[in-house]
Amino acid sequence: AQSVTQPDIHITVSEGASLELRCNYSYGATPYLFWYVQSPGQGLQLLLKYFSGDTLVQGIKGFEAEFKRSQSSFNLRKPSVHWSDAAEYFCAVAPKAAGNKLTFGGGTRVLVKP
Amino acid sequence: GAGVSQTPSNKVTEKGKYVELRCDPISGHTALYWYRQSLGQGPEFLIYFQGTGAADDSGLPNDRFFAVRPEGSVSTLKIQRTERGDSAVYLCASSSLPPLAGGLETQYFGPGTRLLVL
Repeated sequence: AQSVTQPDIHITVSEGASLELRCNYSYGATPYLFWYVQSPGQGLQLLLKYFSGDTLVQGIKGFEAEFKRSQSSFNLRKPSVHWSDAAEYFCAVAPKAAGNKLTFGGGTRVLVKP
Repeated sequence: GAGVSQTPSNKVTEKGKYVELRCDPISGHTALYWYRQSLGQGPEFLIYFQGTGAADDSGLPNDRFFAVRPEGSVSTLKIQRTERGDSAVYLCASSSLPPLAGGLETQYFGPGTRLLVL
């Protein structure tokens, strides 16, 4: 069965600093890959997704992610963090076969220091 | 336009009671999903619908859980004989394509229903 690991439960970053969130997946073949953000009281919002092609994917809010097949990783990055980026971030995968159900990682909570 | 809505936003019940959680998907979305998010964890898949039928219910934890979507729009997740372990946030999502069509449309999530079983 597929699994998604986000090794960092919490990350604290200063406003204006760069951010990288790690995601590793275990799956028989390259799945579809996603990053979602969940702010308090808000639903999950899609930041970006990877299907195929260019391994560097641009998303909303200035986020990008890089797919590395050899490392089974899909890390999320942002060059300069804003206070509004404080939230919980989830990496997710979905199989390319029939069915679209998402398997999520445990999440990384990002705290932004002024 | 309106996003996915879920009602109630919070539900407190007693162990052994029956609860219903409602999801209104984005208008026109044919696929609807339910996920459960326990405290400190990522969401876990429960069930998804294509139209009125449950295409995959492999994530439902046991037969106390049941979901319907009789007209292919609104869905209700039903939990019988609730247990304290059912306490979680129940998330609903919808997307515009049936997954089996080979496409992969974005799933749009609602704000969730926070269920607390005392």
